[in-house]
Amino acid sequence: GAVVSQHPSWVICKSGTSVKIECRSLDFQATTMFWYRQFPKQSLMLMATSNEGSKATYEQGVEKDKFLINHASLTLSTLTVTSAHPEDSSFYICSASPLVPVWSQAFFGQGTRLTVV
Amino acid sequence: RKEVEQDPGPFNVPEGATVAFNCTYSNSASQSFFWYRQDCRKEPKLLMSVYSSGNEDGRFTAQLNRASQYISLLIRDSKLSDSATYLCVVSANTGKLIFGQGTTLQVKP
Repeated sequence: GAVVSQHPSWVICKSGTSVKIECRSLDFQATTMFWYRQFPKQSLMLMATSNEGSKATYEQGVEKDKFLINHASLTLSTLTVTSAHPEDSSFYICSASPLVPVWSQAFFGQGTRLTVV
Repeated sequence: RKEVEQDPGPFNVPEGATVAFNCTYSNSASQSFFWYRQDCRKEPKLLMSVYSSGNEDGRFTAQLNRASQYISLLIRDSKLSDSATYLCVVSANTGKLIFGQGTTLQVKP
């Protein structure tokens, strides 16, 4: 089946630094990818929709200047957490669906566990 | 009100039990419905899609009631390996998935 690869799987960084997370669709093209965040014992919350070749669409309450999204190709989207703070520590997951049909199963990356110290 | 609501549980059941999870959604324009399974510290994985006609996959049966905006998942003959969090997921055919909080199931020997 389709595979989405996310890297790194975990990262520890110091407060004030930036962290980049990559999401790749390995065997299909995706014009749209999605970034989610999950805090302990809570559901996945959609942060933003990453659109290939155009600006990302952010959900209400998500700071676009803090969570920079770049979708430069049909197989790669990146999320950069800028000036990270301890409260940004969370599980970040991306998802993508093959182009056709648009409502087909979403495939998830393995997730990135970010710890900001 | 949350877009997708689930009873978070936990549901603690013995092996072999039958357990049912329920979910309601608020957006009547929703088109696609799924149950995902998430193990601790892992990404969600699709368990099954949900159709109005109902669908069954082995020990798992999913049902959708569009009029009531209600989705259910029934697990028969529970196994220890069924212990996980079950996520009710709704989509409006844009690829954007809206997740419920998840229902935690713990199957005990």
